[in-house]
Amino acid sequence: AQSVAQPEDQVNVAEGNPLTVKCTYSVSGNPYLFWYVQYPNRGLQFLLKYITGDNLVKGSYGFEAEFNKSQTSFHLKKPSALVSDSALYFCAVLASGYSTLTFGKGTMLLVSP
Amino acid sequence: GAVVSQHPSRVICKSGTSVKIECRSLDFQATTMFWYRQFPKQSLMLMATSNEGSKATYEQGVEKDKFLINHASLTLSTLTVTSAHPEDSSFYICSATDPSSNQPQHFGDGTRLSIL
Repeated sequence: AQSVAQPEDQVNVAEGNPLTVKCTYSVSGNPYLFWYVQYPNRGLQFLLKYITGDNLVKGSYGFEAEFNKSQTSFHLKKPSALVSDSALYFCAVLASGYSTLTFGKGTMLLVSP
Repeated sequence: GAVVSQHPSRVICKSGTSVKIECRSLDFQATTMFWYRQFPKQSLMLMATSNEGSKATYEQGVEKDKFLINHASLTLSTLTVTSAHPEDSSFYICSATDPSSNQPQHFGDGTRLSIL
């Protein structure tokens, strides 16, 4: 089985401050992990992924995520938030033997001016 | 990069009518397409997996006679909501798999379906 947990429904941060959106996962075997962003009334846009290699993954729009195997986490981070980063963020996992992504419930990020 | 086009982006119709939503892969051949339903402020719920030339695989609890899926070509899958009712109102999103891509799925922009 594969599952993803995003413990925060919403994260609030002031523009210019660092942001973190949390994600933990549960899979059998090695996980493939992803972050997507969704703007209102739009589909999902790919931000970054972890397959193997360096635990720190850099993605689009200045976002990065750190894979932590011991904590089974894959938190999304950005050093300096922008108001335009305000959106719904989804963490997803794809485990070996599975053909479909499993998404977390999503975290709404609100960046205030 | 791989682009998935979903049409229409928004549709409003009367209860009892059927609505067809199209999902096209514009610059790649998608052997597999997925249909999701998203309720307000909630995650994506996988409805079905659609493989070209074969019957779709529906997730548990999804009525296949209610949500008809056809994947007639490598670039087109359609979802038809038959005899739609207000409870079918939702945001429907399709995605497609491009084997040559470094992403597992490419998503359309979704269809906002409102049944009056």
